[in-house]
Amino acid sequence: GENVEQHPSTLSVQEGDSAVIKCTYSDSASNYFPWYKQELGKGPQLIIDIRSNVGEKKDQRIAVTLNKTAKHFSLHITETQPEDSAVYFCAASNPNNNDMRFGAGTRLTVKP
Amino acid sequence: DGGITQSPKYLFRKEGQNVTLSCEQNLNHDAMYWYRQDPGQGLRLIYYSQIVNDFQKGDIAEGYSVSREKKESFPLTVTSAQKNPTAFYLCASSIDRYTEAFFGQGTRLTVV
Repeated sequence: GENVEQHPSTLSVQEGDSAVIKCTYSDSASNYFPWYKQELGKGPQLIIDIRSNVGEKKDQRIAVTLNKTAKHFSLHITETQPEDSAVYFCAASNPNNNDMRFGAGTRLTVKP
Repeated sequence: DGGITQSPKYLFRKEGQNVTLSCEQNLNHDAMYWYRQDPGQGLRLIYYSQIVNDFQKGDIAEGYSVSREKKESFPLTVTSAQKNPTAFYLCASSIDRYTEAFFGQGTRLTVV
C-alpha cells in the first residue's frame, strides 16, 4: 500500500521567512495530494491540494509543488506569520484502492 | 451551518468498558472516516464508509467497531479488546476519496 513520509517533524522560522515542508510517497498510482493544517485541539483543515495533472498550485502565501517522477511534493509558505504556527499534514490518495495515507505531520512554529 | 460534529470533546472511561464516540455530518457526504491520532504518528485510519450500510476496515481496525445506518451518522465503538485506547479520535467526511475531507473537532478519549 501507499507510504507517505514527511519531513521535517518540527520546523521553527522567524516571522517573515519562508517555510518548506516536504513529503514523499511510494505508490505511483496516487493522484491527489492534499495538505491539512491542524491547530491545537482542533481537527485538520484543508489549506491546499494538488492533483497529478499539474505541477504547481498557488493560493496567496501558500504553494504546493508536485514532482511525479520523483514521487515527492512540497508545501511552501512565504512571509510566515505567527498564526501560521500549527501542525501540517500531507496526504496521498490512490484511486485504485480507495486509500488515502497521511504523513506523520510537521509542527511549524513562527517566532515573532 | 453545514459541518461535521463530534461529541463529546473529552471522554473518560474505565478500563474494560466499551465506549461509543459520536460523529454526525449535514454536508450530504457519502464517505465518512474515523482516524486515530497519536503524537508523532500522524493520522491512522480505523474504519471508513463509502455509503450507507457499508464500511471497510482501515489499518488499525482491531478493537473497534462501527455502523452506518444513516448517511449522516458514523458512530465508533471502542471495545475492551482495544489494548491501548487512550488517544485523540477524528471523524471526517467527504464526497469521495479524491476531494477535500472535512474533519470534526475530535474526541480525546482517556481510559484509566
